Amino acid sequence: SQQGEEDPQALSIQEGENATMNCSYKTSINNLQWYRQNSGRGLVHLILIRSNEREKHSGRLRVTLDTSKKSSSLLITASRAADTASYFCARADSWGKLQFGAGTQVVVTP
Amino acid sequence: SAVISQKPSRDICQRGTSLTIQCQVDSQVTMMFWYRQQPGQSLTLIATANQGSEATYESGFVIDKFPISRPNLTFSTLTVSNMSPEDSSIYLCSAGGQYNEQFFGPGTRLTVL
Repeated sequence: SQQGEEDPQALSIQEGENATMNCSYKTSINNLQWYRQNSGRGLVHLILIRSNEREKHSGRLRVTLDTSKKSSSLLITASRAADTASYFCARADSWGKLQFGAGTQVVVTP
Repeated sequence: SAVISQKPSRDICQRGTSLTIQCQVDSQVTMMFWYRQQPGQSLTLIATANQGSEATYESGFVIDKFPISRPNLTFSTLTVSNMSPEDSSIYLCSAGGQYNEQFFGPGTRLTVL
C-alpha cells in the first residue's frame, strides 16, 4: 500500500510560474526521493534528500524535508512546458525499498 | 548513475500464458527491485531481487505468480505467470545502493487479452 500522500493531485500553471507539491508520510524514513514520469514512461530521478537534511537544490528544483511533520515539498521554479509530467515522492526505508505517493500531475501551458 | 535497460519494452499476451521480463544494469549494484504500475496508478513494490537467493516479496505478491531470478549483481528477471487481464500493467525494475539513489528502467508495458 502507498505510505505517502501527495497534494495537490493535479496542478495546472502557466510557463514562468512556480509549482509546489507536497508529500506526507506516516513512518520513519532513511531518505525521500522525488521522481518525474512523462506519459507512463520510465521514472526520472530528480532529487534524494536524507532524513538528516532539511533542504536540497538541483537547478530549478528545490526540495525541503520536515521530519517532525513527516512531510516534504518539491518546488519547481520558472516552469516550462517541458516540465509537464507526473511527479512522485517515494519514501525509502532502511532496506532501500521505496513506497510511492499517489503522485501530482502537473500541466504547464505556454 | 546506473543505466538500466529492460526487455521487452512492451508485449501483448494471451491469458494463461507467462512472460519473462529482463532487467540489465550497466554496473554492479547492491539492490534491485521490481515494481508494478497499474493504469493511472502509482508504483507498488512487488519484491526485492536478492542476488544468489530467493526474492523477498511484499504483501499481496507471491513467488508462484511472480518468480524472480537474480543470478548476479547486474541482471534480474521477473516472470508474470498464468496471466489474466488484471495483470495488464507497466512493470519496472530499479537498482541502486541501499542508502542511495534508486534508478529505474524504462518499464515493460504488458497487455493481457
